Amino acid sequence: KAGVTQTPRYLIKTRGQQVTLSCSPISGHRSVSWYQQTPGQGLQFLFEYFSETQRNKGNFPGRFSGRQFSNSRSEMNVSTLELGDSALYLCASSLNPTADGEQFFGPGTRLTVL
Amino acid sequence: QQQVKQSPQSLIVQKGGIPIINCAYENTAFDYFPWYQQFPGKGPALLIAIRPDVSEKKEGRFTISFNKSAKQFSLHIMDSQPGDSATYFCAASKKPGNMLTFGGGTRLMVKP
Repeated sequence: KAGVTQTPRYLIKTRGQQVTLSCSPISGHRSVSWYQQTPGQGLQFLFEYFSETQRNKGNFPGRFSGRQFSNSRSEMNVSTLELGDSALYLCASSLNPTADGEQFFGPGTRLTVL
Repeated sequence: QQQVKQSPQSLIVQKGGIPIINCAYENTAFDYFPWYQQFPGKGPALLIAIRPDVSEKKEGRFTISFNKSAKQFSLHIMDSQPGDSATYFCAASKKPGNMLTFGGGTRLMVKP
């Protein structure tokens, strides 16, 4: 069974631009969560989607948004990029977060903002 | 504020030693406590997880000890190997698979 895949793996953008990251969950998984990992702030929850609906949202500005499609694939978008948005963005999928389901993480997308 | 505090930030042990990583939480609504292992260039991978109704859980060389009254839990790695060298994160959530609140991470080095 294929794991969580994230594209692209690496991305370089400049301040003010916008970016879209993609995540394909494990087949059959309906929940997708996004996390930001930085050396200073560690791993922080961005948002979670289940059945195309955002169920939880972390403490990030409105520039960070996401969506989930009917096939459970998810995208996250960051608009008006800032230098501090440079981070590893991780996607995690699980069968159903209301059950005893673990989250499986993808390898992440490394975003660099210049 | 939901928070999970992890210590130490880094740890060096000799092969065969038993590194211990500690975490403390504040929110008593947390009811799921997983530990993740992360190698450079990879996403975190679940090692072992525990619920508050259990004081200890063992899977292979990895053991979680849980103290509900103290709101603390710890990871022990028995007979550590150089291949265990990685960053370890504790986490907590209100439901398994739900929003995870992570500790700051512990960088473990196991010397041959």
